Amino acid sequence: KQEVTQIPAALSVPEGENLVLNCSFTDSAIYNLQWFRQDPGKGLTSLLLIQSSQREQTSGRLNASLDKSSGRSTLYIAASQPGDSATYLCAVDLTGGGNKLTFGTGTQLKVEL
Amino acid sequence: GAVVSQHPSWVICKSGTSVKIECRSLDFQATTMFWYRQFPKQSLMLMATSNEGSKATYEQGVEKDKFLINHASLTLSTLTVTSAHPEDSSFYICSARKSGNTIYFGEGSWLTVV
Repeated sequence: KQEVTQIPAALSVPEGENLVLNCSFTDSAIYNLQWFRQDPGKGLTSLLLIQSSQREQTSGRLNASLDKSSGRSTLYIAASQPGDSATYLCAVDLTGGGNKLTFGTGTQLKVEL
Repeated sequence: GAVVSQHPSWVICKSGTSVKIECRSLDFQATTMFWYRQFPKQSLMLMATSNEGSKATYEQGVEKDKFLINHASLTLSTLTVTSAHPEDSSFYICSARKSGNTIYFGEGSWLTVV
């Protein structure tokens, strides 16, 4: 059974700091991995999707890497801003098509002024 | 861009009653939608896959008679929590798959059973 773990569970940083969120998964046979953002009491916004054949994806200040063989992914946020405060979830897709997304428990990020 | 809408955003119901949550894809047709639930400080757990025109596929441990799913059209799936109990109180989120593999999530629905 696929298990997805995210470390740390919570993180508080001052504005402007670069930070790394970690995601690990037990079954390396994945189709893709996604990083999502969830604001309190809200749904999910997809940030980055990395296909199993890719090593990284970038969007603005966000960079996600994937090491499928070791079952790890990282989300790098550059020059953090208070507006980045949210819970970040990673999810792996085992079957493709988004049918079986297995989510991690998330990292709750707070960026302080 | 694509939008998935859920209604209601929050609902309070009495124990023993049933409550329906709607998930709509607003600007695309979705043959497949997914229903998740999320308990406080926990991650999302897939409950079932809703297929247009056919029966939903439920994950292990999810009672299909308690969580009724209907996907009657290409833009609407409904989740009905029957005979609700306080332990059913949770955040329910749907997602819809657009053509290809792009998944869009709704804003979620808070259910409180009193």
